[in-house]
Amino acid sequence: GNSVTQMEGPVTLSEEAFLTINCTYTATGYPSLFWYVQYPGEGLQLLLKATKADDKGSNKGFEATYRKETTSFHLEKGSVQVSDSAVYFCALSRGDKIIFGKGTRLHILP
Amino acid sequence: ETGVTQTPRHLVMGMTNKKSLKCEQHLGHNAMYWYKQSAKKPLELMFVYSLEERVENNSVPSRFSPECPNSSHLFLHLHTLQPEDSALYLCASSQGQGASYEQYFGPGTRLTVT
Repeated sequence: GNSVTQMEGPVTLSEEAFLTINCTYTATGYPSLFWYVQYPGEGLQLLLKATKADDKGSNKGFEATYRKETTSFHLEKGSVQVSDSAVYFCALSRGDKIIFGKGTRLHILP
Repeated sequence: ETGVTQTPRHLVMGMTNKKSLKCEQHLGHNAMYWYKQSAKKPLELMFVYSLEERVENNSVPSRFSPECPNSSHLFLHLHTLQPEDSALYLCASSQGQGASYEQYFGPGTRLTVT
């Protein structure tokens, strides 16, 4: 079945470090792929998305590229800030539904 | 502020209580969703409403009862819950129903069942 696997957290980095959060997926067909972010005390917000192979989604300095050959959609940012501390969810579309991963908690130290 | 509000933000209830969670969206959307967020588990879709009609019910126990009186409001009625039902309950809305429509989430209700 369709599923999303993302790296276990928490991930702790210093400010200005490079960030990668790994996400791989299993799917039939050609799903759209998403990254959502949940800041403390808030609901999820769509961070970026990609709808077909080799698409790159980007927003707020974050990027992720839809890699069909490796079934991956890794989230990257070149220089993280304390304000990026949150939980990040990788997700894919399945028909009318969105299937979410378990989330990866990110802590950025000043 | 996403345009989706949820009340209460925190709720503690006993297993014999009856309570309701409320969600309101101010975005003019036609679809609304209830999700359950438990620690170290994927977000679980519970119910989907489109144009006030329930279109999805993911094998949720009958102790959870949704209600959508109009396109702006969604309720989740709770009765005789179990401790394992303790979780963050998130409401979301989207312009249309389907994965191509961005979902906007509320801040959630943190539910503790004692």
